[in-house]
Amino acid sequence: DTGVSQNPRHKITKRGQNVTFRCDPISEHNRLYWYRQTLGQGPEFLTYFQNEAQLEKSRLLSDRFSAERPKGSFSTLEIQRTEQGDSAMYLCASSLLSSTNEKLFFGSGTQLSVL
Amino acid sequence: GESVGLHLPTLSVQEGDNSIINCAYSNSASDYFIWYKQESGKGPQFIIDIRSNMDKRQGQRVTVLLNKTVKHLSLQIAATQPGDSAVYFCAEKNCTNAGKSTFGDGTTLTVKP
Repeated sequence: DTGVSQNPRHKITKRGQNVTFRCDPISEHNRLYWYRQTLGQGPEFLTYFQNEAQLEKSRLLSDRFSAERPKGSFSTLEIQRTEQGDSAMYLCASSLLSSTNEKLFFGSGTQLSVL
Repeated sequence: GESVGLHLPTLSVQEGDNSIINCAYSNSASDYFIWYKQESGKGPQFIIDIRSNMDKRQGQRVTVLLNKTVKHLSLQIAATQPGDSAVYFCAEKNCTNAGKSTFGDGTTLTVKP
């Protein structure tokens, strides 16, 4: 297994367009997380799944943001009607929950630029 | 609310010296702490973790110290190498937010040859 994979690596879009990012976690991991990171800041939690259940989504930044993990494997993050403030790195991470000692394995992220 | 922060945004050390990166947290309920390293163009990478029932844990060239009294965490890197140059983040989890790790803002470590 090569780790967490995110596609695309870079996305440039015009304001008002919809974008969708994909994350393929490490295959045996049951938890999948989405984070957002802006320059000079630490990752900011957005949402997470345990298997196919979305256990917390209150931190999704607005109702324009939505995430799915339909079969408990890969996940998608969609941003509708993008705004310039959505420009950031979107990171996906996965983990195997066995105790509270939970290491996150991150992908390399999708860099979004909204023009 | 909870927050995690680092004392210094940048740290510059000479190759071969030891590095110490500090972090403060605010939530007394935090019971698990993690250090991550992020290189340019990559996602954060796990370095070392520590539970709140411990005050020290050692890995290969890295040591994490936890002082729960003052809510302070540090990462010590021995014999710092150029490959250690990166941004370092501390993160915390607690039983009330078991789903998410809260990250600080990062310290950029630069190793001078």
